[in-house]
Amino acid sequence: DTGVSQDPRHKITKRGQNVTFRCDPISEHNRLYWYRQTLGQGPEFLTYFQNEAQLEKSRLLSDRFSAERPKGSFSTLEIQRTEQGDSAMYLCASSSGGGGEPQHFGDGTRLSIL
Amino acid sequence: AQKITQTQPGMFVQEKEAVTLDCTYDTSDQSYGLFWYKQPSSGEMIFLIYQGSYDEQNATEGRYSLNFQKARKSANLVISASQLGDSAMYFCAMREGQRGYQKVTFGTGTKLQVIP
Repeated sequence: DTGVSQDPRHKITKRGQNVTFRCDPISEHNRLYWYRQTLGQGPEFLTYFQNEAQLEKSRLLSDRFSAERPKGSFSTLEIQRTEQGDSAMYLCASSSGGGGEPQHFGDGTRLSIL
Repeated sequence: AQKITQTQPGMFVQEKEAVTLDCTYDTSDQSYGLFWYKQPSSGEMIFLIYQGSYDEQNATEGRYSLNFQKARKSANLVISASQLGDSAMYFCAMREGQRGYQKVTFGTGTKLQVIP
């Protein structure tokens, strides 16, 4: 069990640029989640996959955000035309399902918009 | 209404003493689950403890216990014998709905500082 891996750890980009983050979940986990966390707040749910199916998207996820999990393994989160307000920590988590099964989090990708 | 409320932005505790971190929740579902996570300054979210809405016994994991009062909709975390390494942000979170559904809502967190 190598844990949830996220890449990159840090991303600095200019406003208006597109960015893409990658998440590799724990291998046997079929559920994958993306969260956004800003300073002083708890993580906010963005979207959720079960295998390759995206089952729910938060209304926080505007049209500029898209997430994929094409083969039910790793996932990508893309933000197009980044804005200052997109600066945050983007966390990925995975779980194997079941009500009491906790979500295991990666170390996150910190996005800074110049 | 907030689904998860953590009213203590910051707490101090003396090393080796016990501390209680408060969490209240709001849901109309009969089936739900409550989690506590720890987030040290390094940023990773570490799962601590889980309580299901139908669990009659309070959950315990080592030095962590969850004081679950269903009628009051509270799920306080108790840390016994605090250690310096316990200094971190602590988040209460809730999963609502069916057991297989895993959308989780987090509170705003409590920053715990353990004093030597």
